Amino acid sequence: DGGITQSPKYLFRKEGQNVTLSCEQNLNHDAMYWYRQDPGQGLRLIYYSQIVNDFQKGDIAEGYSVSREKKESFPLTVTSAQKNPTAFYLCASSSGGNIQYFGAGTRLSVL
Amino acid sequence: QKEVEQNSGPLSVPEGAIASLNCTYSDRGSQSFFWYRQYSGKSPELIMFIYSNGDKEDGRFTAQLNKASQYVSLLIRDSQPSDSATYLCAVDGSSNTGKLIFGQGTTLQVKP
Repeated sequence: DGGITQSPKYLFRKEGQNVTLSCEQNLNHDAMYWYRQDPGQGLRLIYYSQIVNDFQKGDIAEGYSVSREKKESFPLTVTSAQKNPTAFYLCASSSGGNIQYFGAGTRLSVL
Repeated sequence: QKEVEQNSGPLSVPEGAIASLNCTYSDRGSQSFFWYRQYSGKSPELIMFIYSNGDKEDGRFTAQLNKASQYVSLLIRDSQPSDSATYLCAVDGSSNTGKLIFGQGTTLQVKP
């Protein structure tokens, strides 16, 4: 069953804590993306990776970090430097033609 | 700053009517255009993409693109209550990175 799997579905972060959001795809897509969505807003790009072992900052990368050690996986770490992390986080992947498909998302809240 | 603009709505139409959703973009170099549907609390789902000027039809959905006016629209014929959602317009950033720029979305309400 091909698709993009994000976990966990819900995540709570304590102040000063780093948390990691998982994104795994079995679509054999080269490119992967992380977006943040705030209530009533569109999607804002955090980081993206077009190929394994390479990634680029998006529009709002401060306070976040990523890695791309495997084609299938693109985890996002929300660091303690991100002072307003409460949001809906969406991972997407693409095989070309700029067509992106999304996972189900992770909802992050601050305790 | 490249921008994609949508009217946030809500756009309210009666069941069976045609819903017209509009989007303008700032980057004349953009080549690919997408419409995503997002139900409340869920992730975006791709419903249409268009690359060339003109109309592209898929079932009850028609995407229209006018690059000269930097305008893309989505028409939904025979609107159903199940079409009630937020529709996100996305445009490529024309830098060959695969990046998309999203509008803030238009909320559509289809009333029975």
